Amino acid sequence: AQSVTQPDIHITVSEGASLELRCNYSYGATPYLFWYVQSPGQGLQLLLKYFSGDTLVQGIKGFEAEFKRSQSSFNLRKPSVHWSDAAEYFCAVVLYSSASKIIFGSGTRLSIRP
Amino acid sequence: GAGVSQSPSNKVTEKGKDVELRCDPISGHTALYWYRQRLGQGLEFLIYFQGNSAPDKSGLPSDRFSAERTGESVSTLTIQRTQQEDSAVYLCASSSRKGGSSYEQYFGPGTRLTVT
Repeated sequence: AQSVTQPDIHITVSEGASLELRCNYSYGATPYLFWYVQSPGQGLQLLLKYFSGDTLVQGIKGFEAEFKRSQSSFNLRKPSVHWSDAAEYFCAVVLYSSASKIIFGSGTRLSIRP
Repeated sequence: GAGVSQSPSNKVTEKGKDVELRCDPISGHTALYWYRQRLGQGLEFLIYFQGNSAPDKSGLPSDRFSAERTGESVSTLTIQRTQQEDSAVYLCASSSRKGGSSYEQYFGPGTRLTVT
């Protein structure tokens, strides 16, 4: 079955430290890949997306993600986190052949230690 | 320009009552999606509209759930005979089918539904 896995439910990092949030997907073909952020009490905001081409994509707020086909992964990274990055992060995929829906991972909650 | 709006922002209803949730997509966006997010969980796809038709209703959890869209704009999600397990945030998103951004969805703030 098609699925998106975010193995880390909750991560805590110190402010200024680097961050990597993991995402794995299972599909036969290369999907379109997204990372969304949901801050407390706010809606979902798109951080970045990968459709094709360069496998390292840059997003907003200093985030980047790398698509690795061999590992079926699309991990999100940031070199130095800020307290304002505390939020819920969702990895998501859309099948190339179907634009009908996004499949979301279960999310990773990020806490920032002062 | 205006983003996706949803109303009401909060709805408390008694078990067994019907509720209607409204979504106003971004003007010109032909695709519209409904998702459900239960507390502490990820987003669950419910239904997708392209124009006024719904080619994918696979996520509707039961026949108590229905949705319609008129005029390629506003959509209404209706839940009949609400149950406590329907309590969740219901999110609406819209997207344009033009060019490379066709798969990028813009989300509304959601409607928090509480069934007592």
